[in-house]
Amino acid sequence: NAGVTQTPKFQVLKTGQSMTLQCAQDMNHNSMYWYRQDPGMGLRLIYYSASEGTTDKGEVPNGYNVSRLNKREFSLRLESAAPSQTSVYFCASSRQGTNYGYTFGSGTRLTVV
Amino acid sequence: GQQLNQSPQSMFIQEGEDVSMNCTSSSIFNTWLWYKQDPGEGPVLLIALYKAGELTSNGRLTAQFGITRKDSFLNISASIPSDVGIYFCAGLSTSGTYKYIFGTGTRLKVLA
Repeated sequence: NAGVTQTPKFQVLKTGQSMTLQCAQDMNHNSMYWYRQDPGMGLRLIYYSASEGTTDKGEVPNGYNVSRLNKREFSLRLESAAPSQTSVYFCASSRQGTNYGYTFGSGTRLTVV
Repeated sequence: GQQLNQSPQSMFIQEGEDVSMNCTSSSIFNTWLWYKQDPGEGPVLLIALYKAGELTSNGRLTAQFGITRKDSFLNISASIPSDVGIYFCAGLSTSGTYKYIFGTGTRLKVLA
């Protein structure tokens, strides 16, 4: 019973490099989300996908792109990493149209040097 | 945009003490959630509140949905060392898109 699986758990990038953070859920949830967590800032929404085939910007989308590959998978891409993108990234999923909250993955700790 | 103010930001308490924290907003929310995040892990849902005035317990945890719908409170009774972590509140946005707004977190440290 995996829930939400994120890969990788840790990553170090050089400024300007690109990478994709992977997320998959096995709960048949319709909605998926990407958050970043920074000290003192809480969780801030980057992008979300209310259902398969749709994506929308959240609070802090600049510098990121997303792909909802299918119902299970939602990836986050950094095209040209910057030190300001050093953060812990969390993927989450939920049932669409309900208020039962999100199930989170265990996070990806990204450092951009 | 909607923001949640969570307090205190951090607290050190002795094992066995009770803990109180709260979350306030300038906007009305329809649902309040409380999450706990252990070090190196993602947040885990503790309690969900759906009606103004609602009081819900989960073991030693008790949370309340404020009457004004602009605040929520979490109490932990008789704290133990495994209560250490970051506690987040989250309010369901009224924009109709089912997106939650998260507070900045309360970091709890329990001294044995």
